[in-house]
Parts: sequence; C-alpha cells; structure tokens
Amino acid sequence: GENVEQHPSTLSVQEGDSAVIKCTYSDSASNYFPWYKQELGKRPQLIIDIRSNVGEKKDQRIAVTLNKTAKHFSLHITETQPEDSAVYFCAASRASGTYKYIFGTGTRLKVLA
Amino acid sequence: NAGVTQTPKFQVLKTGQSMTLQCAQDMNHEYMSWYRQDPGMGLRLIHYSVGAGITDQGEVPNGYNVSRSTTEDFPLRLLSAAPSQTSVYFCASSARDISGNTIYFGEGSWLTVV
Repeated sequence: GENVEQHPSTLSVQEGDSAVIKCTYSDSASNYFPWYKQELGKRPQLIIDIRSNVGEKKDQRIAVTLNKTAKHFSLHITETQPEDSAVYFCAASRASGTYKYIFGTGTRLKVLA
Repeated sequence: NAGVTQTPKFQVLKTGQSMTLQCAQDMNHEYMSWYRQDPGMGLRLIHYSVGAGITDQGEVPNGYNVSRSTTEDFPLRLLSAAPSQTSVYFCASSARDISGNTIYFGEGSWLTVV
C-alpha cells in the first residue's frame, strides 16, 4: 500500500541554525504534499503545502521542495527559533479518487537556545 | 465557524466496552477521516469517507466502524475496546479539490482502555 517515510525522527539544532526534514512517498499518483506542525497536546496545524506542478515554495522562514522524479519532498526551516520546537509531519495525497492523506511518522524538532 | 468538533476529549473505557467518538464539521466538506496517533507511529488512517453514504477502510481499520449518514457527521465506533486501542484520535475533514486541499483536524480525543 501507499506509505510515506520521514527522516529524521528527532532533530536538535541551535537557535538560528537551519533544520531540514525529508520525506519519501511511494504512490506515484500523489500530487499534494502538506506539512503539519503539532505542539504538545494540540492538533496538527498546516504550515505549508506544495502541489505537484511546483518544485519549490517559500513562506518567510519556511520552504518546501519537491522532486517528483525521485518521489522526495523536504521541509526547510531557516533561522530557527525556540517556538519552532514541535513535531512536524509530512503527508502525501491524491487530490482525486480516494483522496486519502498518508502521513509520515513525524520529526521531533528541538531548537536549543 | 466551529470547524471540526470532536467529543469526548477524554475517555476511559474498560476492556470489552463499546463507545462512539463523535465528529462534526460545519464547513460542508465532502472528505472526512479518522486517524489515531501513537508515539513514534505518526498519524495512521483508520477510516475515511468521500461523501455521505460512502466510507472506506484506511491502514488500521480493525476494531472500528464508521458511518456517514450526513455530510456533517462522521462518528467512529469502537465495537469491543482493547488496551491496544489506547491512543489519541483525530477526526479531520477537507473539501474535494482536484489540486489538493488542506485537511483540518479536530482537537483530538484521548482514549484510555484499561
């Protein structure tokens, strides 16, 4: 079945450094790739997404890149701040047919002050 | 606009008991789904629905039932609770869009089976 692999499972960075989280998906029909941030005890919240007709998207300190040929996509956070500490999930979805969202296993990001 | 509403937020069940987690959305979204979240396992899809009267199984459907009689509601039933079903459950919804659409989560339901 479809699956999404996410690495690393934990990531610690110094405040101000960059963080990169990588995901690989198996379903070649996936065409929508959102990233969610989940703080402790809270629901996941969308932070950025990318569609298959775009290779890169940026929103302030956050960027996502997509390589459809390799079925890889990555989240880049620059100038990290303590409030970026959270669990981040990637997901892959087909925007037709089943519309299923399959999530990665999450990355716990710790930004050290 | 309440978004996605889940109840109850916390529940303790005894092994063998049944219960229903309620989920309602007021955004007229066609797509609704249930996920469970366990440490180190991410968000795993239990069941999903692409519209009223249509449901299908996700990755981990065993021990759970769903129905979708209206666009707004998508309850999740635990038939005979087991300790392995101790988890955090999230209901989610999204509109159907050929280019992909944001999935919105409820606040979560913390379930403990003893």
